[in-house]
Amino acid sequence: DIVLTQSPGTLSLSPGERATLSCRASQSVKSSFLAWYQQKPGQAPRLLIYGASSWAPDIPHRFSGSGSGTDFTLTISRLEPEDFAVYYCQQYDSSPYTFGQGTKLEIK
Amino acid sequence: QVHLVQSGREVKKPGASVKVSCKTSGYTFPNYGISWLRQAPGQGLEWMAWISPANNNTKYAPNIQDRFLMTTDTSTQTVYLELRSLRSDDTAVYFCARTSFWGFYFDYWGQGTLVTVSS
Repeated sequence: DIVLTQSPGTLSLSPGERATLSCRASQSVKSSFLAWYQQKPGQAPRLLIYGASSWAPDIPHRFSGSGSGTDFTLTISRLEPEDFAVYYCQQYDSSPYTFGQGTKLEIK
Repeated sequence: QVHLVQSGREVKKPGASVKVSCKTSGYTFPNYGISWLRQAPGQGLEWMAWISPANNNTKYAPNIQDRFLMTTDTSTQTVYLELRSLRSDDTAVYFCARTSFWGFYFDYWGQGTLVTVSS
């Protein structure tokens, strides 16, 4: 199984700041088959990014994804109050389709 | 507009069974697979299984034993997940999610169904 390790576990920032979230895979994720999701308490996850860097419909472009191989990054250029949530990366290169353990983005 | 609406919360005793439904709308049902994922309390996300409504092909995560069964009803555009021989560690929120045509990522999600297994 491909293991995804996200860092940091918790990120404390203020609105308006830039957030950089990391996702590292235990083996290369071919064709950049990596997605990012946002989850708020009591809600289902929401797809943000697929294919490592493509925006899902209606996702603001302050969210951007990058990376390839084993190292991927989700960047939020200027944090809005509604962006404070937990973020998960997920690989869909090979079954079982695994998730990272999540990064909690909290208000500083 | 794509919608996935799941059935309500359940409380079951160990050894019992439960069936969770996921009613879809807003798209051509046979064209997209549906995955089931779960999230134990305070934990991360786990993909468990996938079914194609077009031909009932299925795919399961290796750690998912024969206790889990998926079915579809094309007349109501609904997908079902039956969990049998429930254990306490099956306690989780179960999500259905539409699986993208382009790969195994999940573009629309149900609201989640909390299944609690407790004696």
